[in-house]
Amino acid sequence: AQSVTQLGSHVSVSEGALVLLRCNYSSSVPPYLFWYVQYPNQGLQLLLKYTTGATLVKGINGFEAEFKKSETSFHLTKPSAHMSDAAEYFCAVSDGRGDYKLSFGAGTTVTVRA
Amino acid sequence: DAMVIQNPRYQVTQFGKPVTLSCSQTLNHNVMYWYQQKSSQAPKLLFHYYDKDFNNEADTPDNFQSRRPNTSFCFLDIRSPGLGDAAMYLCATSRDRGREKLFFGSGTQLSVL
Repeated sequence: AQSVTQLGSHVSVSEGALVLLRCNYSSSVPPYLFWYVQYPNQGLQLLLKYTTGATLVKGINGFEAEFKKSETSFHLTKPSAHMSDAAEYFCAVSDGRGDYKLSFGAGTTVTVRA
Repeated sequence: DAMVIQNPRYQVTQFGKPVTLSCSQTLNHNVMYWYQQKSSQAPKLLFHYYDKDFNNEADTPDNFQSRRPNTSFCFLDIRSPGLGDAAMYLCATSRDRGREKLFFGSGTQLSVL
């Protein structure tokens, strides 16, 4: 079975500063990895995903994530935070083959200070 | 335009009183999921439909049931809600399983009095 651990339930950054959200995964097979964002009073929406190929994945709103197999990590970054980035972020993993199930981390809430 | 619609946004029920949450989609996706999300926790998959095939998670309580009368609609029935069932319930769809992107509704926040 797959699982993810998100380090830090809350992250506070200044506007214009780097955003770094950490995610480590556990999977017995090559994983498919996802980052979802949930804005207040809205459903989750996909930021980016890694399935195969290039390990640096670019997503919407200037976010990117790098798959590092040796570190079992898939950290999410954005070079310069914007006030609109305040939201909850979820890392998720599936194996995409036998056990299709998408397993989510507990989420990281990002607040952006002016 | 909303593609996965959940109604109602907030639902209050009484302890033990059956309640139904609804989800509809305009994407014509094969797969529909129900997740339970409690405060500060990860969304937890309850079950999903792959077309008409119902797939229950092993640890989903029998108190939770689901119906999918057609491609567009899926219902979550809680037969006898307990206080521990108070949560956000998220409906999601995908074209297929595995690597496919999930589209989520805005959720229904269930309170049990």
